[in-house]
Amino acid sequence: TQLLEQSPQFLSIQEGENLTVYCNSSSVFSSLQWYRQEPGEGPVLLVTVVTGGEVKKLKRLTFQFGDARKDSSLHITAAQPGDTGLYLCAGVRTGNQFYFGTGTSLTVIP
Amino acid sequence: NAGVTQTPKFQVLKTGQSMTLQCAQDMNHEYMSWYRQDPGMGLRLIHYSVGAGITDQGEVPNGYNVSRSTTEDFPLRLLSAAPSQTSVYFCASSYREPARSPYEQYFGPGTRLTVT
Repeated sequence: TQLLEQSPQFLSIQEGENLTVYCNSSSVFSSLQWYRQEPGEGPVLLVTVVTGGEVKKLKRLTFQFGDARKDSSLHITAAQPGDTGLYLCAGVRTGNQFYFGTGTSLTVIP
Repeated sequence: NAGVTQTPKFQVLKTGQSMTLQCAQDMNHEYMSWYRQDPGMGLRLIHYSVGAGITDQGEVPNGYNVSRSTTEDFPLRLLSAAPSQTSVYFCASSYREPARSPYEQYFGPGTRLTVT
């Protein structure tokens, strides 16, 4: 059983649409990270959220950390083909223990 | 800087064979880790190390050994390969100093392993 569950697992949308990816857990984390992974490469960090209720924006991407620090969401506005990839959330506990989510594979169709 | 490097990129093993996946980083990171990635399961932590001479188990350590004799290198050994170990393996590294928290992990390009 994965500590962090992501939904949806797969998402295929048209260019210009908005979408939200969810990352849920029953455990509390000291911080939560979102990574994006391109085919054949390792994940690359997008953002880290640390405070419960924190919202961070990265251009068209908005990340939110739940008040109880057990969940997070990633919202993409006006998706573009360049957003295509695998999105992974990772919960961080003390001592540098990272727990990755199950992943959301996003395809943006031109 | 090369960042995190992994070799080989691809490997096919027969059941029962052993091999070592190599990982090296040139960023002087204290923390290094090994993950496996399987479809629908994200990345799962196999083993990690917080510094030279120190290693610990992650979520799925069975069938794997690690050692950390230097800061730069963190090899992963498969003792007797099984088809269930068919996966993509990623090595990652990060700082560990509290001043640099929260930590960003830097990943290598991965090793795709098939066990027949």
